[in-house]
Amino acid sequence: PVLTQSSSASASLGSSVKLTCTLSSGHSSYIIAWHQQQPGKAPRFLMQVEGSGTYNKGSGVPDRFSGSSSGADRYLTISNLQSEDEADYYCETWDTDTRVFGGGTELIVL
Amino acid sequence: VQLLESGGGFVQPGGSLRLSCAASGFSFSNYPMSWVRQAPGKGLECVSVISPGGGTTYYADSVKGRFTFSRDNSKNMLSLQMNSLRAEDTAIYYCAKLITAGGTDYWGQGTVVTVSS
Repeated sequence: PVLTQSSSASASLGSSVKLTCTLSSGHSSYIIAWHQQQPGKAPRFLMQVEGSGTYNKGSGVPDRFSGSSSGADRYLTISNLQSEDEADYYCETWDTDTRVFGGGTELIVL
Repeated sequence: VQLLESGGGFVQPGGSLRLSCAASGFSFSNYPMSWVRQAPGKGLECVSVISPGGGTTYYADSVKGRFTFSRDNSKNMLSLQMNSLRAEDTAIYYCAKLITAGGTDYWGQGTVVTVSS
């Protein structure tokens, strides 16, 4: 599988933003995971998102973060944007003998 | 859950390094684990994955034949033996816990590997 993400996104403080991760052809049913990487820090697991749209968040992830799906697209929505949400966001998926990450989306909070 | 990497450093091309990761706070022997690296200014790349028992490993093509991933379930420890290092192996290396048949759910703080002459 291959994961495609936009390189950057921006949104205003207090608003909402929806980031997209697109699965390659033939892999549209795959589960993905979203990770947040704040500047200078290690990545942090946010949630897994299934093709059905069901999502399961990691421990301590704020309610402002949610997931959804449509076809081969997996989404991460962040509501009520805070300054600390400015970070790189990566999606991840896996197969029997491979594990891949998307190129990441840099989110800028204006 | 805590994952603590060590062993990073500066090495010349062609040299070797051994990274370690001490795991705690979960039933270590029940979960697959991985090493993920991040080159300066770049994204994430999964380097290797190991099964809970250690009998099955996966390697990215970029490191196959040069890196060896092992685990000691009696000591809750992971090791990544890196040989024939190249400049393009320069990166932060993260130890990570995987959800069974799922994604990464915990990350270590990373250890820096620099390969340069």
